[in-house]
Amino acid sequence: QVQLQESGPGLVKPSETLSLTCTVSGGSITNYYWGWVRQPPGKGLEWIGYIYYTGSTNYNPSLRSRLTISLDTSKSQFSLKLSSVTAADTAVYYCARYTPQRLDMDAFDIWGQGTMVTVSS
Amino acid sequence: DIQMTQSPSSLSASVGDRVTITCRARQSISTYLNWYQQKPGKAPRLLIYAASRLLGGVPSRFSGGGSGTDFTLTISSLQPEDFATYYCQQSYSAITFGQGTRLEIK
Repeated sequence: QVQLQESGPGLVKPSETLSLTCTVSGGSITNYYWGWVRQPPGKGLEWIGYIYYTGSTNYNPSLRSRLTISLDTSKSQFSLKLSSVTAADTAVYYCARYTPQRLDMDAFDIWGQGTMVTVSS
Repeated sequence: DIQMTQSPSSLSASVGDRVTITCRARQSISTYLNWYQQKPGKAPRLLIYAASRLLGGVPSRFSGGGSGTDFTLTISSLQPEDFATYYCQQSYSAITFGQGTRLEIK
């Protein structure tokens, strides 16, 4: 079955760029959205954004100015770049598959295990 | 963005109890509402999509209802593995999550 795995640095300095990659295995990237959700320690879930397999993106307006999500179909990977980070960006970052309504769902149905990213000098 | 408000924020219950969690949207979202379960240190798990559709493999004691602005997640008979935090999520306009409801053992 489809599995997702996040990878990237666990520590990022303030003002620098947070970069994470999610590798998709066991299935095709085609026909789905691929997204990111984060969770600050002890807090709730926040949608970051997602990218369709065609390359079109949709971002959380509160993060849009700092955010880039990209896709490498040849490697079955998608990536997150968040610039100018502060301590408020410290969180567990999850990658997840979003199955669209036209495939009879419209929800995040498969998730990675998550990776903790701390912003600190 | 569409704000989602869950109630209660926390809930204590016993094995075998019937519990209902409510999620309210600030504007109508039709049935673009999903429910997730999250256990400590784990990723969220999709339970219900489109307000009332149970994901395959999810026990039938879970059910969802509602449309427009008011939605419910009901667990008909709590099992030990159900103690977790539950989140609603709307997809009518962008994506937003509720703040979560922590379900604890009484």
